[in-house]
Amino acid sequence: QLQLQESGPGLVKPSETLSLTCTVSGGSIGSTTYYWGWIRQPPGKGLEWIGSIYREATYYNPSLKSRVAISVDTSKNQFSLKLSSVTAADTAVYYCGKLVVGGTSCDDWGQGTLVTVSS
Amino acid sequence: QSALTQPASVSGSPGQSITISCTGTSSDVGGYDLVSWYQQHPGKAPKLMIYEGRKRPSGISNRFSGSKSDNTASLTISGLQAEDEADYYCSSYAGSHTLVFGGGTKLTVL
Repeated sequence: QLQLQESGPGLVKPSETLSLTCTVSGGSIGSTTYYWGWIRQPPGKGLEWIGSIYREATYYNPSLKSRVAISVDTSKNQFSLKLSSVTAADTAVYYCGKLVVGGTSCDDWGQGTLVTVSS
Repeated sequence: QSALTQPASVSGSPGQSITISCTGTSSDVGGYDLVSWYQQHPGKAPKLMIYEGRKRPSGISNRFSGSKSDNTASLTISGLQAEDEADYYCSSYAGSHTLVFGGGTKLTVL
């Protein structure tokens, strides 16, 4: 049973960089079958795809592309998200997930972690 | 890349059927058979209910079905049950390895 767990600071100051890690257990992140991705949800609002990674290739939401970086550390079975120059609009629950069907569907999700951007 | 359009809310009585629409463009919903539907209960992570437009993951009830016509995808829930009350989101492949979500629909079981 694959499990994903997000970790990182729950509070980030405006203009700083948000950094989150997703630890995968019960399976290898090195699998060539899956994409790994980040999705966020502002409080009371809908879901927004942030980006995905497959092997070393990264794909980002065009609206966030200039501020986002996703990377994989296969030795730790983790993948990470960095979002720079954050503002209050980046306050959200951040989910990591395993994507199938060529990265088009997320069939395993972490529980989510709330990140608040505030001074 | 604009968000897909979903109705803000739908409702139905137990045992009835409801349909939630998800409208996009020929660059996303209409261009690929790669629409997914997610169910989200309050305070929980979303759960995949439909992928590739009409396929159900293992363990998902056959009361949930998906379809598509032109640029609009639909999720139908038949035999509505109290436990189906949740938020539902569609997503679609939008080309160049990108995804786009709908704004979400709140389903109320009366």
